[in-house]
Amino acid sequence: RKEVEQDPGPFNVPEGATVAFNCTYSNSASQSFFWYRQDCRKEPKLLMSVYSSGNEDGRFTAQLNRASQYISLLIRDSKLSDSATYLCVVSQGGSYIPTFGRGTSLIVHP
Amino acid sequence: EPEVTQTPSHQVTQMGQEVILRCVPISNHLYFYWYRQILGQKVEFLVSFYNNEISEKSEIFDDQFSVERPDGSNFTLKIRSTKLEDSAMYFCASSLDRGYRQPQHFGDGTRLSIL
Repeated sequence: RKEVEQDPGPFNVPEGATVAFNCTYSNSASQSFFWYRQDCRKEPKLLMSVYSSGNEDGRFTAQLNRASQYISLLIRDSKLSDSATYLCVVSQGGSYIPTFGRGTSLIVHP
Repeated sequence: EPEVTQTPSHQVTQMGQEVILRCVPISNHLYFYWYRQILGQKVEFLVSFYNNEISEKSEIFDDQFSVERPDGSNFTLKIRSTKLEDSAMYFCASSLDRGYRQPQHFGDGTRLSIL
Protein backbone atom coordinates (compact mmCIF):
# COMPACT_ATOMS: atom_id res chain seq x y z
CA ARG A 1 0.00 0.00 0.00
CA LYS A 2 1.35 3.43 -0.92
CA GLU A 3 2.22 5.62 2.07
CA VAL A 4 0.49 8.74 0.84
CA GLU A 5 -2.18 8.47 -1.83
CA GLN A 6 -3.86 11.15 -3.82
CA ASP A 7 -6.28 11.09 -6.71
CA PRO A 8 -4.11 12.39 -9.57
CA GLY A 9 -7.05 14.05 -11.30
CA PRO A 10 -7.13 16.25 -13.22
CA PHE A 11 -9.99 18.05 -11.61
CA ASN A 12 -11.36 20.35 -14.28
CA VAL A 13 -13.62 23.05 -12.77
CA PRO A 14 -15.01 26.42 -13.84
CA GLU A 15 -14.01 29.63 -12.16
CA GLY A 16 -15.94 30.21 -8.99
CA ALA A 17 -16.46 26.52 -8.28
CA THR A 18 -15.72 24.80 -5.00
CA VAL A 19 -13.41 21.82 -5.24
CA ALA A 20 -12.13 19.37 -2.65
CA PHE A 21 -9.18 16.99 -2.63
CA ASN A 22 -8.50 14.13 -0.29
CA CYS A 23 -5.25 12.50 0.67
CA THR A 24 -4.94 9.24 2.58
CA TYR A 25 -1.91 8.12 4.56
CA SER A 26 -1.05 4.65 5.75
CA ASN A 27 1.16 5.33 8.77
CA SER A 28 -0.92 5.90 11.89
CA ALA A 29 2.15 7.39 13.61
CA SER A 30 2.08 10.35 11.24
CA GLN A 31 2.15 13.60 13.14
CA SER A 32 2.42 16.49 10.75
CA PHE A 33 0.57 17.25 7.58
CA PHE A 34 0.93 19.89 4.93
CA TRP A 35 -0.50 20.91 1.62
CA TYR A 36 1.94 22.24 -0.93
CA ARG A 37 1.21 23.67 -4.34
CA GLN A 38 3.42 22.94 -7.33
CA ASP A 39 3.15 24.69 -10.66
CA CYS A 40 4.39 22.90 -13.74
CA ARG A 41 8.16 22.34 -13.56
CA LYS A 42 8.43 24.63 -10.53
CA GLU A 43 9.28 24.08 -6.90
CA PRO A 44 6.73 23.05 -4.27
CA LYS A 45 5.41 25.99 -2.29
CA LEU A 46 3.81 25.64 1.10
CA LEU A 47 0.10 26.31 0.94
CA MET A 48 -0.84 25.48 4.49
CA SER A 49 -0.16 23.26 7.45
CA VAL A 50 -2.98 21.01 8.56
CA TYR A 51 -3.90 21.01 12.23
CA SER A 52 -6.04 18.59 14.15
CA SER A 53 -8.73 21.19 14.65
CA GLY A 54 -8.77 22.10 10.98
CA ASN A 55 -7.67 25.43 9.67
CA GLU A 56 -8.73 28.01 7.17
CA ASP A 57 -6.76 30.54 5.16
CA GLY A 58 -8.96 32.71 2.99
CA ARG A 59 -10.54 30.50 0.36
CA PHE A 60 -8.63 27.43 1.50
CA THR A 61 -9.70 25.06 4.26
CA ALA A 62 -7.75 22.04 5.43
CA GLN A 63 -9.09 19.23 7.58
CA LEU A 64 -7.51 16.24 9.27
CA ASN A 65 -9.33 13.02 10.08
CA ARG A 66 -7.02 10.86 12.17
CA ALA A 67 -9.51 8.06 12.63
CA SER A 68 -9.82 7.53 8.89
CA GLN A 69 -6.25 8.66 8.18
CA TYR A 70 -6.94 11.29 5.60
CA ILE A 71 -6.55 14.99 5.12
CA SER A 72 -8.56 17.20 2.85
CA LEU A 73 -8.20 20.51 1.10
CA LEU A 74 -11.21 22.59 0.11
CA ILE A 75 -10.86 25.50 -2.29
CA ARG A 76 -13.79 27.87 -2.54
CA ASP A 77 -14.44 30.36 -5.34
CA SER A 78 -11.74 28.87 -7.59
CA LYS A 79 -9.56 31.28 -9.55
CA LEU A 80 -7.71 30.64 -12.80
CA SER A 81 -4.51 31.11 -10.81
CA ASP A 82 -5.40 28.15 -8.60
CA SER A 83 -4.54 25.83 -11.51
CA ALA A 84 -1.64 23.74 -10.24
CA THR A 85 -0.80 20.39 -8.70
CA TYR A 86 -1.58 20.09 -4.99
CA LEU A 87 0.80 17.94 -3.00
CA CYS A 88 -0.05 16.23 0.25
CA VAL A 89 2.94 15.86 2.59
CA VAL A 90 3.00 13.71 5.72
CA SER A 91 5.72 13.31 8.35
CA GLN A 92 6.05 11.05 11.35
CA GLY A 93 6.84 12.49 14.72
CA GLY A 94 10.46 11.93 15.63
CA SER A 95 11.56 11.60 12.03
CA TYR A 96 11.91 14.39 9.63
CA ILE A 97 11.61 12.31 6.50
CA PRO A 98 8.53 13.73 4.81
CA THR A 99 6.54 11.63 2.41
CA PHE A 100 5.00 13.36 -0.57
CA GLY A 101 1.95 12.26 -2.44
CA ARG A 102 2.09 12.32 -6.22
CA GLY A 103 -0.23 15.28 -6.26
CA THR A 104 -3.67 16.16 -7.54
CA SER A 105 -3.89 18.27 -10.66
CA LEU A 106 -6.40 21.11 -10.70
CA ILE A 107 -7.38 22.97 -13.84
CA VAL A 108 -9.63 25.99 -13.41
CA HIS A 109 -11.13 27.19 -16.68
CA PRO A 110 -12.99 30.40 -17.55
CA GLU B 1 10.59 37.67 1.07
CA PRO B 2 13.85 35.75 1.54
CA GLU B 3 14.23 32.76 -0.69
CA VAL B 4 16.33 29.69 -1.31
CA THR B 5 18.42 30.00 -4.45
CA GLN B 6 19.88 27.19 -6.52
CA THR B 7 22.46 27.08 -9.27
CA PRO B 8 22.66 26.13 -12.01
CA SER B 9 19.07 26.05 -13.20
CA HIS B 10 19.94 23.34 -15.71
CA GLN B 11 22.96 21.02 -15.74
CA VAL B 12 23.74 18.64 -18.59
CA THR B 13 26.39 16.03 -17.80
CA GLN B 14 27.79 12.91 -19.38
CA MET B 15 27.09 9.64 -17.59
CA GLY B 16 29.88 8.76 -15.20
CA GLN B 17 30.87 12.36 -14.56
CA GLU B 18 30.70 14.08 -11.22
CA VAL B 19 28.23 16.89 -10.71
CA ILE B 20 27.84 19.44 -7.93
CA LEU B 21 24.55 21.21 -7.37
CA ARG B 22 24.59 24.38 -5.32
CA CYS B 23 22.12 25.96 -2.98
CA VAL B 24 22.04 29.05 -0.82
CA PRO B 25 19.47 28.51 1.95
CA ILE B 26 17.61 31.32 3.67
CA SER B 27 20.19 33.05 5.84
CA ASN B 28 18.76 32.44 9.32
CA HIS B 29 17.62 28.89 8.62
CA LEU B 30 19.42 26.06 10.35
CA TYR B 31 18.16 22.91 8.61
CA PHE B 32 18.80 22.05 5.01
CA TYR B 33 17.43 19.40 2.72
CA TRP B 34 17.78 17.94 -0.72
CA TYR B 35 14.95 16.36 -2.68
CA ARG B 36 14.63 15.03 -6.18
CA GLN B 37 11.69 14.72 -8.52
CA ILE B 38 11.93 12.51 -11.56
CA LEU B 39 9.77 13.86 -14.37
CA GLY B 40 6.15 12.94 -13.79
CA GLN B 41 6.80 11.38 -10.41
CA LYS B 42 6.53 12.46 -6.82
CA VAL B 43 8.98 14.51 -4.82
CA GLU B 44 11.40 12.23 -2.94
CA PHE B 45 13.41 13.09 0.14
CA LEU B 46 17.17 12.56 -0.16
CA VAL B 47 18.87 14.01 2.92
CA SER B 48 18.60 16.48 5.75
CA PHE B 49 21.54 18.38 7.23
CA TYR B 50 22.09 20.26 10.45
CA ASN B 51 25.09 21.53 12.33
CA ASN B 52 27.45 20.33 9.62
CA GLU B 53 26.31 16.77 9.59
CA ILE B 54 23.65 14.60 8.02
CA SER B 55 20.57 14.23 10.21
CA GLU B 56 18.62 11.75 8.14
CA LYS B 57 18.90 10.23 4.71
CA SER B 58 16.74 8.07 2.54
CA GLU B 59 17.56 4.83 0.74
CA ILE B 60 18.12 6.84 -2.44
CA PHE B 61 21.03 8.68 -0.83
CA ASP B 62 23.69 6.02 -1.35
CA ASP B 63 27.47 6.26 -1.50
CA GLN B 64 27.30 8.12 -4.80
CA PHE B 65 25.83 11.11 -3.03
CA SER B 66 27.37 13.51 -0.57
CA VAL B 67 26.45 16.88 0.90
CA GLU B 68 28.58 19.66 2.23
CA ARG B 69 28.30 23.12 3.66
CA PRO B 70 31.68 24.48 2.58
CA ASP B 71 31.12 27.96 3.96
CA GLY B 72 28.52 29.92 5.87
CA SER B 73 26.12 30.25 2.99
CA ASN B 74 26.37 27.44 0.44
CA PHE B 75 24.96 23.94 0.72
CA THR B 76 26.00 21.50 -1.99
CA LEU B 77 24.93 18.10 -3.29
CA LYS B 78 27.55 16.07 -5.09
CA ILE B 79 26.86 13.04 -7.24
CA ARG B 80 30.14 11.23 -7.79
CA SER B 81 29.51 9.12 -10.86
CA THR B 82 26.24 10.03 -12.47
CA LYS B 83 23.89 7.47 -13.96
CA LEU B 84 21.10 7.95 -16.47
CA GLU B 85 18.53 7.43 -13.73
CA ASP B 86 19.91 10.42 -11.83
CA SER B 87 18.20 12.65 -14.36
CA ALA B 88 15.66 14.60 -12.35
CA MET B 89 14.82 17.93 -10.85
CA TYR B 90 16.77 18.47 -7.63
CA PHE B 91 15.30 20.78 -5.03
CA CYS B 92 17.06 22.27 -2.06
CA ALA B 93 14.99 23.38 0.92
CA SER B 94 15.59 24.97 4.28
CA SER B 95 13.69 25.47 7.48
CA LEU B 96 14.17 27.65 10.50
CA ASP B 97 13.94 24.77 12.91
CA ARG B 98 13.91 21.02 12.68
CA GLY B 99 10.65 20.18 14.34
CA TYR B 100 8.54 17.96 12.16
CA ARG B 101 5.89 20.63 12.15
CA GLN B 102 8.24 23.12 10.54
CA PRO B 103 7.37 23.99 6.97
CA GLN B 104 10.19 23.97 4.46
CA HIS B 105 11.00 26.59 1.88
CA PHE B 106 12.09 25.24 -1.47
CA GLY B 107 14.45 26.64 -4.06
CA ASP B 108 13.35 26.66 -7.68
CA GLY B 109 15.41 23.60 -8.49
CA THR B 110 18.20 22.39 -10.74
CA ARG B 111 17.22 20.27 -13.69
CA LEU B 112 19.88 17.59 -14.08
CA SER B 113 20.07 15.83 -17.43
CA ILE B 114 22.44 12.87 -17.76
CA LEU B 115 23.39 11.90 -21.30
